[in-house]
Amino acid sequence: DVKVTQSSRYLVKRTGEKVFLECVQDMDHENMFWYRQDPGLGLRLIYFSYDVKMKEKGDIPEGYSVSREKKERFSLILESASTNQTSMYLCAIQRGLAGVGQYFGPGTRLTVT
Amino acid sequence: GQNIDQPTEMTATEGAIVQINCTYQTSGFNGLFWYQQHAGEAPTFLSYNVLDGLEEKGRFSSFLSRSKGYSYLLLKELQMKDSASYLCAVRETSGGYNKLIFGAGTRLAVHP
Repeated sequence: DVKVTQSSRYLVKRTGEKVFLECVQDMDHENMFWYRQDPGLGLRLIYFSYDVKMKEKGDIPEGYSVSREKKERFSLILESASTNQTSMYLCAIQRGLAGVGQYFGPGTRLTVT
Repeated sequence: GQNIDQPTEMTATEGAIVQINCTYQTSGFNGLFWYQQHAGEAPTFLSYNVLDGLEEKGRFSSFLSRSKGYSYLLLKELQMKDSASYLCAVRETSGGYNKLIFGAGTRLAVHP
């Protein structure tokens, strides 16, 4: 079974705090993705990575950064959390560039107050 | 630009058949995916179409017409557990990378 874990299911942070969301996979897949999911908007891609120390901006990277120091771990960083970053954050993995289907972690519901 | 449209909500009766449509406009099309997402859970992969036609997998089938920018997901013999959101996603190749572009999802409610 594919296993993608995220560090927290629920998280509450204050405006201006630095927030780290961690994603770990045990499938040795090269490709990892961070999305946020908001009602009526669907999943939107924040950042993705196709290899260690490699990162590419997605469609909504503003206010976020990422880190991939090891193949199995992909971290999403909110440098200074704001209330409009309250959302569900989902990590996904994919085998290869043309891999069929992405596998998602359970998600982290982040509330910024 | 990218645009993926699917109905916001649908209702159906247990045992019936339901068709969820998805239309898309995108450049660099490289496949269409359907995901199921139960409330509070992560999306799970259902089906993948890259060529025109119908792909059948048990009670679920997915159809693609690339020339029309159109897909549908067909659910047969509906069960209560099929109540979930169904996400249509297009894989787009851009700058040498593949990305998934998701629609907002269709929330399906199955009634007894």
